[in-house]
Amino acid sequence: KNQVEQSPQSLIILEGKNCTLQCNYTVSPFSNLRWYKQDTGRGPVSLTIMTFSENTKSNGRYTATLDADTKQSSLHITASQLSDSASYICVVSPDAGNNRKLIWGLGTSLAVNP
Amino acid sequence: SAVISQKPSRDICQRGTSLTIQCQVDSQVTMMFWYRQQPGQSLTLIATANQGSEATYESGFVIDKFPISRPNLTFSTLTVSNMSPEDSSIYLCSVEGQAWGEQYFGPGTRLTVT
Repeated sequence: KNQVEQSPQSLIILEGKNCTLQCNYTVSPFSNLRWYKQDTGRGPVSLTIMTFSENTKSNGRYTATLDADTKQSSLHITASQLSDSASYICVVSPDAGNNRKLIWGLGTSLAVNP
Repeated sequence: SAVISQKPSRDICQRGTSLTIQCQVDSQVTMMFWYRQQPGQSLTLIATANQGSEATYESGFVIDKFPISRPNLTFSTLTVSNMSPEDSSIYLCSVEGQAWGEQYFGPGTRLTVT
């Protein structure tokens, strides 16, 4: 069964600290993996998209890694800010041309405290 | 990027009534998607709406319960019919972007059924 599991479920850190969120997937075939940020009361916003041939991709203070062999991805947030408080969702696509088949994780709820 | 608006942003409705949610995009798009995000759950695709054709519903969702209209390339509506408390959820519309893998989401409509 295609699944995307994220850990931890929730995380609290102090402003300025770094953190790493994890994503394990069992989706097959695999086309690409996406990380989204969802602020409370907002729709998800894309942070990164990686294909199986990419190991790392950065977007400002966000760096995503992908190990297609172990089917694991991580999202590293550097020098966290209060505005980073949000839910971070890992999404795996088995089919590049079909957004109907996205497999969504439950997300990690991150709280950045002053 | 596409800018998507939804109306209403939130509503509280009585059991047995229906609510129509509007989704407006600032550019012409071929495919629009409707998602549901129940409390503590990941996003679940309800249906895909292409202009000029019937919407394609995912397993577990039917047209009688969630009728969709797509009158033009910038607008769509989702109706939640004969509502029950189990329909309490956030409903999101999204569109595909021009670049590969891009997907943009509206802010969502938070529905509470009492």
